[in-house]
Amino acid sequence: DAGVIQSPRHEVTEMGQEVTLRCKPISGHNSLFWYRQTMMRGLELLIYFNNNVPIDDSGMPEDRFSAKMPNASFSTLKIQPSEPRDSAVYFCASTRRDLSSYEQYFGPGTRLTVT
Amino acid sequence: KQEVTQIPAALSVPEGENLVLNCSFTDSAIYNLQWFRQDPGKGLTSLLLIQSSQREQTSGRLNASLDKSSGRSTLYIAASQPGDSATYLCAVRSPGNQFYFGTGTSLTVIP
Repeated sequence: DAGVIQSPRHEVTEMGQEVTLRCKPISGHNSLFWYRQTMMRGLELLIYFNNNVPIDDSGMPEDRFSAKMPNASFSTLKIQPSEPRDSAVYFCASTRRDLSSYEQYFGPGTRLTVT
Repeated sequence: KQEVTQIPAALSVPEGENLVLNCSFTDSAIYNLQWFRQDPGKGLTSLLLIQSSQREQTSGRLNASLDKSSGRSTLYIAASQPGDSATYLCAVRSPGNQFYFGTGTSLTVIP
């Protein structure tokens, strides 16, 4: 299994630009999570999906952030417009909700720098 | 809201020493607790997962324990090696499918 795939691995953009982060979960997993990691705040859950449906987006910092999951094998996290304080590493994770273990598997992350 | 704390924030030990990392959580109503390892610039790698009904899990030199009633978990690393140097994070899964992470313990094993 290829694991959770994220792209791009690094993104550098200017303030005000739109940024789109992509995630492909592990095949067969039906829950997907987006996290943000910074030195100051650690790892924060932004939003998660069950069976492609957003369940809890209370962690999304503001309306500039949006996430979609059009099918079971693809999700995007969009920031529009981006700001320097959005600079962080964004992780995607997936799990199989019907398994009692509910073990999360993380992608390698996208390091976002907004100048 | 669940709060997860890891102490110490950083730990440095000589190679070969046994060590314990601590994780505490405020709400004992959890489904499971998971320990991760994160290397610099990398994602999180799952090490051990303990269900709420379990007391411990073992994998190689790693042993994780869970005391749900007191809101504590420990990760025991035996015979530490320089390759164990990384940041270790714990995460609890709470009702509502929420996952809460600690801020991690940065471990350095000195050759």
